[in-house]
Amino acid sequence: QKEVEQDPGPLSVPEGAIVSLNCTYSNSAFQYFMWYRQYSRKGPELLMYTYSSGNKEDGRFTAQVDKSSKYISLFIRDSQPSDSATYLCATGREPASKLTFGTGTRLQVTL
Amino acid sequence: NAGVTQTPKFQVLKTGQSMTLQCAQDMNHEYMSWYRQDPGMGLRLIHYSVGAGITDQGEVPNGYNVSRSTTEDFPLRLLSAAPSQTSVYFCASSYSGQGGEKLFFGSGTQLSVL
Repeated sequence: QKEVEQDPGPLSVPEGAIVSLNCTYSNSAFQYFMWYRQYSRKGPELLMYTYSSGNKEDGRFTAQVDKSSKYISLFIRDSQPSDSATYLCATGREPASKLTFGTGTRLQVTL
Repeated sequence: NAGVTQTPKFQVLKTGQSMTLQCAQDMNHEYMSWYRQDPGMGLRLIHYSVGAGITDQGEVPNGYNVSRSTTEDFPLRLLSAAPSQTSVYFCASSYSGQGGEKLFFGSGTQLSVL
């Protein structure tokens, strides 16, 4: 079993929709939770960062962590075609530790 | 502000050939790492370094060598290329301490081994 599981998609939604992306993880020692966005033929870029449980909001993006159920979520409101990318969840156990990534979910936002 | 720079962007090798993927960062980050990305496998850590002169293995280190002689550079060497090493390779860097798990990635090297 992988330490981080993520549905690979693809997920196709119309412009303006609310998108929910999810990951589950198995190691209860993970404390740091991130979402990276990766456009085609580009390197991943950090989108959201959360330490421990709770919510974090940044514009149209909300990251949610539930450590009791080992569940990580990313919500995108009012989705735009420019949000079309692969979204990778990532977790770590201590500052500057080696990250464990999910396989990524490919999102397509259509006009 | 270049960030993390990887060269080359594309490379084709024959089985058994050796080569070095270059990675340089200009953010004075202490931590650097190499990942490979394969379909259905996500990003997997090959090697990482917590500072000049210090390296350690990640999840999939076999067939790869690294060294870190300066803070800025972290080259990845393929000793004898195999078709299983066909992948997209990403170099990443981060600063040490709290928040150091936030990685800054290069744009990747697409490697094909025939």
